[in-house]
Amino acid sequence: GAVVSQHPSRVICKSGTSVKIECRSLDFQATTMFWYRQFPKQSLMLMATSNEGSKATYEQGVEKDKFLINHASLTLSTLTVTSAHPEDSSFYICSARDSDSYQPQHFGDGTRLSIL
Amino acid sequence: AQSVTQLDSQVPVFEEAPVELRCNYSSSVSVYLFWYVQYPNQGLQLLLKYLSGSTLVKGINGFEAEFNKSQTSFHLRKPSVHISDTAEYFCAVSEWGGYNKLIFGAGTRLAVHP
Repeated sequence: GAVVSQHPSRVICKSGTSVKIECRSLDFQATTMFWYRQFPKQSLMLMATSNEGSKATYEQGVEKDKFLINHASLTLSTLTVTSAHPEDSSFYICSARDSDSYQPQHFGDGTRLSIL
Repeated sequence: AQSVTQLDSQVPVFEEAPVELRCNYSSSVSVYLFWYVQYPNQGLQLLLKYLSGSTLVKGINGFEAEFNKSQTSFHLRKPSVHISDTAEYFCAVSEWGGYNKLIFGAGTRLAVHP
């Protein structure tokens, strides 16, 4: 089955640093990748949609300069949280789907980000 | 725009008992419907999906769901649950015609007790 690998699974860093999270599709070409944020005991909130080779589309209220998304290849998308602060601490999950519109999104295992 | 309502935030149930997790949706267009399961500190795993055709869909781990267009519902059921089914369950919709962005419900925590 389709596998999405997300790395790192957990990161702890100081306030003010930038953190990069990678999302890779291991056995299919992901024309579209999605980035979600999940607060404790809450649902997933879509942050942005990225299509390979083009700029990401951000949801309302998500700061594009804060959460930089790059989707440079068909198997890799990255989310960089710039100048992270404690309020950015959260569980970030990516998903990917290929060009076949009848295939669902496949999710990574998430990244637990803790900003001290 | 679409929205999803999961009517129960928590559902406690004893092992081997049946369970139903409720999901209602709202949309002005046709939609695809999904149920995902999330175990602690993990991503989401697809349980089942409804695209078209038979309104009763069967998924993994013995789960099934029934699409009811008139009631705009897509309830998830399992005839006999196991301890290992304890997890968070999310109902989601996406606009028909492509796997576009998913709109998730708030989630239902299924707690199976021995």
